[in-house]
Amino acid sequence: AQSVTQPDIHITVSEGASLELRCNYSYGATPYLFWYVQSPGQGLQLLLKYFSGDTLVQGIKGFEAEFKRSQSSFNLRKPSVHWSDAAEYFCATGGGSNYKLTFGKGTLLTVNP
Amino acid sequence: EPEVTQTPSHQVTQMGQEVILRCVPISNHLYFYWYRQILGQKVEFLVSFYNNEISEKSEIFDDQFSVERPDGSNFTLKIRSTKLEDSAMYFCASSERVGTGELFFGEGSRLTVL
Repeated sequence: AQSVTQPDIHITVSEGASLELRCNYSYGATPYLFWYVQSPGQGLQLLLKYFSGDTLVQGIKGFEAEFKRSQSSFNLRKPSVHWSDAAEYFCATGGGSNYKLTFGKGTLLTVNP
Repeated sequence: EPEVTQTPSHQVTQMGQEVILRCVPISNHLYFYWYRQILGQKVEFLVSFYNNEISEKSEIFDDQFSVERPDGSNFTLKIRSTKLEDSAMYFCASSERVGTGELFFGEGSRLTVL
């Protein structure tokens, strides 16, 4: 069965600092992997996705993620965090004909000025 | 930019009452989904819907739940007799296709069961 683990429940960084949010997945075949962001009072917005090909994927808002099959990881990175990046971040995996997503528990990001 | 809209944004109901949550998916999308997020827990898949029938459902989606696409635009989730543990944020999503398609989520409907 598919599963996603986000080891960090809450991360605090200073504005301008770099960011890495961890995600580990369990999936039998080549997974489809996603990062979603949820700002307070908002729905889930897709930041980026990986299906195949280049293991470093670029997303919106300056985010990127790297798929590492050997580590079963898909960590999200941003070189310089902005205060508006404060939100909850969800890693998800999916695939197959019905496209059900399995989400991690999320990582809450706080950005200090 | 097209978006998925959900109503109501927040509903408070008494245990045992029926609740209908409404969603308007993006107009050219063919696949529709409901997810829920109990406070402090993961976002969980409930059901997917395509071609006017359920294509997949989770073990959470028992006989108390039903989905319907009553017209060309709305997609509803009905909970027949709510329980305290149904309190959660319910997200509707739609996608143009499966496999490699992106899910577009609404802002959610918060259901509080008293």
